[in-house]
Amino acid sequence: GAVVSQHPSWVICKSGTSVKIECRSLDFQATTMFWYRQFPKQSLMLMATSNEGSKATYEQGVEKDKFLINHASLTLSTLTVTSAHPEDSSFYICSATTDSYGYTFGSGTRLTVV
Amino acid sequence: DAKTTQPTSMDCAEGRAANLPCNHSTISGNEYVYWYRQIHSQGPQYIIHGLKNNETNEMASLIITEDRKSSTLILPHATLRDTAVYYCIVRVAPTLTGANSKLTFGKGITLSVRP
Repeated sequence: GAVVSQHPSWVICKSGTSVKIECRSLDFQATTMFWYRQFPKQSLMLMATSNEGSKATYEQGVEKDKFLINHASLTLSTLTVTSAHPEDSSFYICSATTDSYGYTFGSGTRLTVV
Repeated sequence: DAKTTQPTSMDCAEGRAANLPCNHSTISGNEYVYWYRQIHSQGPQYIIHGLKNNETNEMASLIITEDRKSSTLILPHATLRDTAVYYCIVRVAPTLTGANSKLTFGKGITLSVRP
């Protein structure tokens, strides 16, 4: 079945540094990938829609200069959290559409900014 | 996309059927009902989807009322590993809106399976 690999599964970084999260579709080509953020005991909140070869579309309230998204190939999208601060600590999840109906999600990345 | 309402939580005994309700009274004719679940600290997992007919797969059954204003996800024999947050989502199929169409999550229902 369709598999989306997300790496790393967890990361701890110092305040002010940048962190890159990778999302790969392992056995299919994903023209569109989505990035979500989830705070403790809350639901998933869509951050942006990433299309291969073009600029990402960000949801209202998400800072595009802080959360850099690159989707350079049909199997890889990256999210870079720039100048991370403790309030950016969260669970980040990517997903990709696999066929006419399904969305497959990565296993998520737990980011802790200290 | 139509809005859904789900109870906040429910529990059931291991081995028994878990029936998870979802209300989507404003659903339109071309919107599907999707169910996903999220086990703690993991990404969401697709369970099942349907338009108007009842659906069954190896994980669960989806019962949609005739007027399509509500549905029930049935886990026939719940196990401890089914403890998770279950999300009922209503949306138009990507074939109509394109692969760009996003999936929006509500608060979901927390299912606790007890031994």
